[in-house]
Amino acid sequence: EPEVTQTPSHQVTQMGQEVILRCVPISNHLYFYWYRQILGQKVEFLVSFYNNEISEKSEIFDDQFSVERPDGSNFTLKIRSTKLEDSAMYFCASSGLAGAEETQYFGPGTRLLVL
Amino acid sequence: SQKIEQNSEALNIQEGKTATLTCNYTNYSPAYLQWYRQDPGRGPVFLLLIRENEKEKRKERLKVTFDTTLKQSLFHITASQPADSATYLCALEGGGFKTIFGAGTRLFVKA
Repeated sequence: EPEVTQTPSHQVTQMGQEVILRCVPISNHLYFYWYRQILGQKVEFLVSFYNNEISEKSEIFDDQFSVERPDGSNFTLKIRSTKLEDSAMYFCASSGLAGAEETQYFGPGTRLLVL
Repeated sequence: SQKIEQNSEALNIQEGKTATLTCNYTNYSPAYLQWYRQDPGRGPVFLLLIRENEKEKRKERLKVTFDTTLKQSLFHITASQPADSATYLCALEGGGFKTIFGAGTRLFVKA
């Protein structure tokens, strides 16, 4: 069964450093998403991406964040200058049809720790 | 802004009983609502989607209801099993391409 994959599974970085989290969505999906989940808290929407541009973003997704689909398979989230409060699990998701209405398939997540 | 409330207290039930989880929302009228399961350290897994014009949806031992007047969805697991122990998340479409998740309810099914 096709699945969303994410790398790395864990990332430790120093405050102020840039990190890039990588995702390979399901191959025939058209919509891509990033979410984050701070330990013990709820899953929070960050951004959605369709047709090579951002469709929607939350107030969390400020200028420190960016997303890119550099080729036909990868979808990346970049945090330019990490802060302590960026420590969280980051989930990538993809869906096949119109917007968030269709089932979203989540990856296993990248656990980011900012020291 | 949209708000979703799920019972933050964990739900403990005996194997074989029906678990009922509640999701209430305010400040919005979503076109659909979804339920996901999340195990510790894992990503959410989609279970069911119910649209605003549907009262009830079933899938195997799962049943979801959607009351747009009360702004509430109920999620039922019948004949519960220890393997059903997990956190269950309610999610609603937040307009456009946005999905808003509730904090989830932890379910423990005792053998």
